[in-house]
Amino acid sequence: RKEVEQDPGPFNVPEGATVAFNCTYSNSASQSFFWYRQDCRKEPKLLMSVYSSGNEDGRFTAQLNRASQYISLLIRDSKLSDSATYLCVVNIHSSASKIIFGSGTRLSIRP
Amino acid sequence: GAVVSQHPSWVICKSGTSVKIECRSLDFQATTMFWYRQFPKQSLMLMATSNEGSKATYEQGVEKDKFLINHASLTLSTLTVTSAHPEDSSFYICSARGERDSYNEQFFGPGTRLTVL
Repeated sequence: RKEVEQDPGPFNVPEGATVAFNCTYSNSASQSFFWYRQDCRKEPKLLMSVYSSGNEDGRFTAQLNRASQYISLLIRDSKLSDSATYLCVVNIHSSASKIIFGSGTRLSIRP
Repeated sequence: GAVVSQHPSWVICKSGTSVKIECRSLDFQATTMFWYRQFPKQSLMLMATSNEGSKATYEQGVEKDKFLINHASLTLSTLTVTSAHPEDSSFYICSARGERDSYNEQFFGPGTRLTVL
């Protein structure tokens, strides 16, 4: 089983729609969580950190469920510019800190 | 956010040659740098973690003698792909993290696209 799992998609939704992604992680030593965005042939860029209480940044809402070991990202009022691959990232703190990337979920917004 | 540069941004080389990729943190001191590899339509795979002044820690399945990492200063880490072969063709990305607090965000370089003929 992969340490971080995501639905690869692609999600193809119309502009203005709301879309949600989930990500599950298997290591209970996971302590910090992030969503990154990666455009084609570019490096990942941090979209937002995910806090236990949930957090919102404009049209983006991230939530963490430690009991079920999953993280979610909700995008409201999607824009064409939201088309990208969204990477779930988990920072595992055990004997040595380790960053694990999910395989990413591809999102395509159509006009 | 902080700036991380990589050089070169792309390189094409013949099979059997060695290629060096540089990763620099431009406006902060990076105590830890990470090297990733990404094949098409796949996620980033961590290759190794390097801490300034010490040996890199390689992930399982990554040959340390093939992928030489040097983190000689707080602003520079290098990855050398020795005796490159076509299967080493990939997108190599470094990231850097400042401070010793491991909760801090990583900042990624723009990546280096390696093509081995």
